[in-house]
Amino acid sequence: QILLQGSGPGLVKPSETLSLTCAVSGYSISSGYYWGWIRQPPGKGLEWIGSISHTGYTDYNPSLKSRLTISLDTSKNQFSLELNSVTATDTAVYYCVVGRGPIFQFWGQGTLVTVSS
Amino acid sequence: DIQMTQSPSTLSASVGDRVTITCRASQSISSWLAWYQQKPGKAPQLLIYKASTLESGVPSRFSGSGSGTEFTLTISSLQPDDSATYYCQQYNSYSWTFGQGTKVEVK
Repeated sequence: QILLQGSGPGLVKPSETLSLTCAVSGYSISSGYYWGWIRQPPGKGLEWIGSISHTGYTDYNPSLKSRLTISLDTSKNQFSLELNSVTATDTAVYYCVVGRGPIFQFWGQGTLVTVSS
Repeated sequence: DIQMTQSPSTLSASVGDRVTITCRASQSISSWLAWYQQKPGKAPQLLIYKASTLESGVPSRFSGSGSGTEFTLTISSLQPDDSATYYCQQYNSYSWTFGQGTKVEVK
């Protein structure tokens, strides 16, 4: 069983950078799978943000690509999300996920990030 | 992007009822479709992938069918624990997109 624990600031100011980390236990991120992020605005549906393979290959949602970086830290067995120039529309629960390609098999507990001054 | 449309948006049914949720894609996605269940305040859980393959540990009352542009998720005998929102997701064409969700209430 792969366990994911997301963490990061719950409040980010507009125009700043949203940074989240997902610590992984039960599996080495350099061994396989695709690691990624999905978000859910309050009371709304799910949006895929982006994914990274165990080799570091990234796929990003085109609507977010210009502001987005997803990376691996194999020394800490974790992966990260950075989304810059945030606005109120980026307010959401952010889930870290892992799976076989775009099938999201395991999910973290979710981190609520609010963009507000 | 491929648009995914679910129907109905909400449904209410009794314990033991057979329940069907439909998901339609804006273009053919072959069988590259997954279903997730999300309970309030919790992360979604994978139920079905490749349109009809049940994820390990998921009760057999859940089943999926369809191909091309029309898919269904069926709960053969609704249980109180099935009260949740259900989402379909296509992974035929980058980028991966979800339906808007179907909320299932158990009377």
